[in-house]
Amino acid sequence: DVKVTQSSRYLVKRTGEKVFLECVQDMDHENMFWYRQDPGLGLRLIYFSYDVKMKEKGDIPEGYSVSREKKERFSLILESASTNQTSMYLCASSLISGHRGQYFGPGTRLTVT
Amino acid sequence: GDSVTQMEGPVTLSEEAFLTINCTYTATGYPSLFWYVQYPGEGLQLLLKATKADDKGSNKGFEATYRKETTSFHLEKGSVQVSDSAVYFCALRGSGANSKLTFGKGITLSVRP
Repeated sequence: DVKVTQSSRYLVKRTGEKVFLECVQDMDHENMFWYRQDPGLGLRLIYFSYDVKMKEKGDIPEGYSVSREKKERFSLILESASTNQTSMYLCASSLISGHRGQYFGPGTRLTVT
Repeated sequence: GDSVTQMEGPVTLSEEAFLTINCTYTATGYPSLFWYVQYPGEGLQLLLKATKADDKGSNKGFEATYRKETTSFHLEKGSVQVSDSAVYFCALRGSGANSKLTFGKGITLSVRP
């Protein structure tokens, strides 16, 4: 079974803090993705990576950065958390072709107070 | 750019009712189409997929047919169960390399006993 794990299910941080969300996949997938999910807006892509040390901006990259130092691990960084970044964050991975779809982690519900 | 439009929700049905969730798309070339399901408190799971016109994806009693002439990929199930209560997302993967998934906004299905 494909396994995508995320470091926390729930996280509460204060405004201005630096926040790290970690994602690990065990299927040797080339592609990894970070989304946020908000009611009424569906899933929006923040960043994705198709190889180690490679990254590309998604639809809403502002206020976020990412790091991919190893193939299995993809980190999302909020440099200075703000209340409008309160959301559900979902990590996913896929083969390079993407033809089998993406495999998702359980999500991290982040609250910024 | 690519886009996916899902019918407005939420949808509430009685157990054993027939389900249709509409999904239409806009894309260039020949996209792959997916339905994902998100059960309460979990990440997204791939429900079914279709990679070319007239393909039918099926899983767990759900079906969807890739209709290129109407650019649609409607999800159907003949008899829903309470355990089908979840959020359903339609998505497409464009035909380019390293293509991302474009998601619809999702629709919440509630099935009452």
